[in-house]
Amino acid sequence: GAGVSQTPSNKVTEKGKYVELRCDPISGHTALYWYRQSLGQGPEFLIYFQGTGAADDSGLPNDRFFAVRPEGSVSTLKIQRTERGDSAVYLCASSPQGGGNSPLHFGNGTRLTVT
Amino acid sequence: AQSVTQLDSQVPVFEEAPVELRCNYSSSVSVYLFWYVQYPNQGLQLLLKYLSGSTLVKGINGFEAEFNKSQTSFHLRKPSVHISDTAEYFCAVTSTGGFKTIFGAGTRLFVKA
Repeated sequence: GAGVSQTPSNKVTEKGKYVELRCDPISGHTALYWYRQSLGQGPEFLIYFQGTGAADDSGLPNDRFFAVRPEGSVSTLKIQRTERGDSAVYLCASSPQGGGNSPLHFGNGTRLTVT
Repeated sequence: AQSVTQLDSQVPVFEEAPVELRCNYSSSVSVYLFWYVQYPNQGLQLLLKYLSGSTLVKGINGFEAEFNKSQTSFHLRKPSVHISDTAEYFCAVTSTGGFKTIFGAGTRLFVKA
């Protein structure tokens, strides 16, 4: 079946611009996660959705970052006034229920470059 | 809070040699443990997991890992590697009562002919 789909695969934007990154999880997965992976680092937790609600957004670095999942399926990560330090690969993952024993299914990521 | 330390950032090894990728974790509560693999130009995928029971767990592609609670370790091993095992390997931990998976910085395994 279809895995987690992320679009675009690459995004280049200028400093100060607004960007949206989209994630389409595996059908039926109620839990959805966003991670950020910088060069040479492991994925860093940003936000977790259970259904439509953000159950934990403690990893969002500041108020320029926001994510939604209005219908409990597709999610959009939004970054306002982008900065060069936001350049990274943004990963989306989903799991059937979201418990700690449920492995994550990752998309291929969106590589964001802020010039 | 949990943390994960992968002790080697890069591990070069010859084909058909054994390999061990080291992982230590820190947590004040019980945890689930995972290894994920990221092949070049692909997304992360689950290699194996420890949830409970036998401390030796087997995963895909001939990999196995052993959970050692006293040493808070979860080292990954393979007795004979192939060129195709060249990838980045991430150790990860989730508390048993939580949902947030914390990843290590990764170990790049490079298998040479």
